[in-house]
Amino acid sequence: DTGVSQDPRHKITKRGQNVTFRCDPISEHNRLYWYRQTLGQGPEFLTYFQNEAQLEKSRLLSDRFSAERPKGSFSTLEIQRTEQGDSAMYLCASSLMGSSDTQYFGPGTRLTVL
Amino acid sequence: GIQVEQSPPDLILQEGANSTLRCNFSDSVNNLQWFHQNPWGQLINLFYIPSGTKQNGRLSATTVATERYSLLYISSSQTTDSGVYFCAPRRQAAGNKLTFGGGTRVLVKP
Repeated sequence: DTGVSQDPRHKITKRGQNVTFRCDPISEHNRLYWYRQTLGQGPEFLTYFQNEAQLEKSRLLSDRFSAERPKGSFSTLEIQRTEQGDSAMYLCASSLMGSSDTQYFGPGTRLTVL
Repeated sequence: GIQVEQSPPDLILQEGANSTLRCNFSDSVNNLQWFHQNPWGQLINLFYIPSGTKQNGRLSATTVATERYSLLYISSSQTTDSGVYFCAPRRQAAGNKLTFGGGTRVLVKP
């Protein structure tokens, strides 16, 4: 069990650029989640996949955000035309559907938009 | 959605002291997790505790679901306990997302 991994760990970009983050869940986990955390706040839910199906999206996920999990394994989160307000830590979590469905988090990708 | 309130917002402890962190939530829940976020931002699972009491070393947690609160106890605190503690309940009828409180920031001084 290697845990949830995320890449890159840090990303600095200029306003208006597109960025893409990757998340690799724990290997047997069929559920994958994206959260966003801004400074001094708790994480907020963005979206959730069960296998390859995106089952829930938050209203926080504007049209500039898109997430995919094409083969039910890794997931990508893309932000188009980044804005300074997108600066945050983007966290990925995974879980195994079942009695506890405990979510395990990756180390996060810290995005800074200049 | 569920409203989650954590108290106190900040806590300064002398090494060796005990403390209790509280999490109140506004609705019935099926699942509740406690996390410790270290200074590098990693969220570390402490407990999955939808009800009852669990212990893990110097940490223990109790959830009273019928009264909509959970408590995290830290005994004999160490400097490595510093960081932010989050509770995150989940209401199955509202999907599989965790709803996080604002956290309790703990600083343990040597």
